[in-house]
Amino acid sequence: AQKITQTQPGMFVQEKEAVTLDCTYDTSDPSYGLFWYKQPSSGEMIFLIYQGSYDQQNATEGRYSLNFQKARKSANLVISASQLGDSAMYFCAMTIMNTGFQKLVFGTGTRLLVSP
Amino acid sequence: DTAVSQTPKYLVTQMGNDKSIKCEQNLGHDTMYWYKQDSKKFLKIMFSYNNKELIINETVPNRFSPKSPDKAHLNLHINSLELGDSAVYFCASSPSLAGVKDTQYFGPGTRLTVL
Repeated sequence: AQKITQTQPGMFVQEKEAVTLDCTYDTSDPSYGLFWYKQPSSGEMIFLIYQGSYDQQNATEGRYSLNFQKARKSANLVISASQLGDSAMYFCAMTIMNTGFQKLVFGTGTRLLVSP
Repeated sequence: DTAVSQTPKYLVTQMGNDKSIKCEQNLGHDTMYWYKQDSKKFLKIMFSYNNKELIINETVPNRFSPKSPDKAHLNLHINSLELGDSAVYFCASSPSLAGVKDTQYFGPGTRLTVL
C-alpha cells in the first residue's frame, strides 16, 4: 500500500540551528512526487518544497532542502538556520496515481518547536 | 490576491443541521479537492473534481455532497451533521489531475464544530 511515514511526533531546535524532519514513503509506482507542507498555528497549509522521483538533484528552496534517498525511500526535510517563525506542524506528502488520477497522501506530521 | 479562498472560516452548528462551505480558486487550475483534517491533524482526501466533473470520492458518506458550478468553484454541502463531522475542511487546487508533479495549493481551511 502507498504510504507516508513520519516517525517524529515532535522536534525541538534552537534558533539558528539546522534541523532534519524525517519522512519515509512506500510505493511501487516508478513515477511519484514528494512534497512538504507547513501548517502554522494559524491553520493554513503552506507548500514548501517538491521532489520528483526522477529528479537527479535534491530540491532546494531558500532555507529548505529535501534530502532525497530513493533507494532508502526517504525524503527528509532539512531546515537550515531555524527561525522562531518555523515553529509549526510539518507534513510530508506523496502524489500517487489512483486509476490514472493524482491523489495526495499525507503523513501524520511532525510538530517543530524553535526556541530562542 | 488570495489564490484559494474558503468561506466561512469557522462554522459552529447543531447536530442534524445542514451546512455548506464554499471554495474558490483564481489560479486557473483545472482540478479542485476537498480534504478533512481530524482532531489528530491527519489529512485525508475526500473528493477531487476536474473541470466540474467528480473524479475521486474516497468512500465519503452520502451526507457529503460536493458541487462544482464551474472549474473555479467547488462547494461542499453537508446534510444531517453529526458530532464526528467536527474537523477542519480544506479546499485545494492543482493545475491538472494527472500530473504527479502538480503542486496542490490549499485554502485557509474551515473549522467545523458540531454541537
